[in-house]
Amino acid sequence: GENVEQHPSTLSVQEGDSAVIKCTYSDSASNYFPWYKQELGKRPQLIIDIRSNVGEKKDQRIAVTLNKTAKHFSLHITETQPEDSAVYFCAAIGGGGTSYGKLTFGQGTILTVHP
Amino acid sequence: ETGVTQSPTHLIKTRGQQVTLRCSSQSGHNTVSWYQQALGQGPQFIFQYYREEENGRGNFPPRFSGLQFPNYSSELNVNALELDDSALYLCASSLALAGARNEQFFGPGTRLTVL
Repeated sequence: GENVEQHPSTLSVQEGDSAVIKCTYSDSASNYFPWYKQELGKRPQLIIDIRSNVGEKKDQRIAVTLNKTAKHFSLHITETQPEDSAVYFCAAIGGGGTSYGKLTFGQGTILTVHP
Repeated sequence: ETGVTQSPTHLIKTRGQQVTLRCSSQSGHNTVSWYQQALGQGPQFIFQYYREEENGRGNFPPRFSGLQFPNYSSELNVNALELDDSALYLCASSLALAGARNEQFFGPGTRLTVL
């Protein structure tokens, strides 16, 4: 089945700096890669996603890149703000076999943005 | 607001008891997935229901079972509760089109504590 590795586990930045979180996946048939932000005690919220036929996607201060050959994808947050502080999860949806349609999550990154 | 609702919000049970958790999917969605999120970890896939049938299962024992109803709402049942079942249980709804499953939106979760 799919395996998703996420790094770093914690990330501390100053307000205004950029933050980058990286993930790798194992199933070459995976075709959809969402990123979720989860604040303490709340539900994971979809913040951006990318499909396997696209290399990069941007939404204001957030961007995601995908390298299918290397099987890795990254989240980039520019001009970070204290309200960006949360746990971020990458995930992959399997494209076939036992992984089909199933979200496999990374271990999470605790992002702290210091004012 | 994603439109996915879950009940109850919190639940306390003792070992050996049984529990039923409920999820109402977002309007227009036909697929519900259930995830278990232990403290400090990413959500783990339990199973997925598509048009009232189980469509994929993670590494969870048979005492975890589910249902999906004609209105696409869903239940998660756990028998013979164990202490390790204490977690946040999340459901996520999505719209499956032509076999593609994507964009899962999470409910607020049910916090289950097993004593």
